[in-house]
Amino acid sequence: EVQLLESGGGLEQPGGSLRLSCAASGFSFSNYAMSWVRQAPGRGLEWVSTISGSDGTTYYADSVKGRFTISRDNSKNTLHLQMNSLRAEDTAVYYCAKGGSRWYMTFLHYWGQGTLVTVSS
Amino acid sequence: EIVLTQSPATQSLSPGERATLSCRASQSVNSDLVWYQQKPGQAPRLLIYDAFNRATGIPARFSGSGSGTDFTLTISSLEPEDFAVYYCQQRHDWPGTFGRGTKVEIK
Repeated sequence: EVQLLESGGGLEQPGGSLRLSCAASGFSFSNYAMSWVRQAPGRGLEWVSTISGSDGTTYYADSVKGRFTISRDNSKNTLHLQMNSLRAEDTAVYYCAKGGSRWYMTFLHYWGQGTLVTVSS
Repeated sequence: EIVLTQSPATQSLSPGERATLSCRASQSVNSDLVWYQQKPGQAPRLLIYDAFNRATGIPARFSGSGSGTDFTLTISSLEPEDFAVYYCQQRHDWPGTFGRGTKVEIK
């Protein structure tokens, strides 16, 4: 059974940093693209970042480019999202999602339950 | 960036009725269109990928159709557990944009 467990969310001030983690199990982690998708309170879904399962190439939405860094540790089956220079508009539930293949433009097959990030002074 | 427009924003139906949800892309996405279901307080769940392929465990009452710019998700006969928000998403071009969702509510 595929399981994705996010952690690291919380309250942070504008300009601060947070590091999200996603512990994966139940599948061959290194063979799949992994993504972060966020959902602001009461709003729709926004694809934030993806790391491919083939060569580890990373992709970012324009709204987070230069501030967020996605990474993966295939030895620990863990996905990370380093979030710097946080803004109020980054407030959202952040979901970790497993891709349907190793290619970055794949559908989001399984989702974690999400971790809430709140950016406020 | 490809924009996806979902309609209607809300659909009020009774259990047993047929639901027809539309998703229109601002440019062709071939068949690279995905549908997700989200219930309150839960993560989204994959329903349909590549326009018409049902994900594992998804009941046959859910079906997807379309290609290019116009897509449809059909729920043939609504069950009580189907009342939720449905999102379409394109995986044709980065970033993989989502529509704003269609809420299927109980009439």
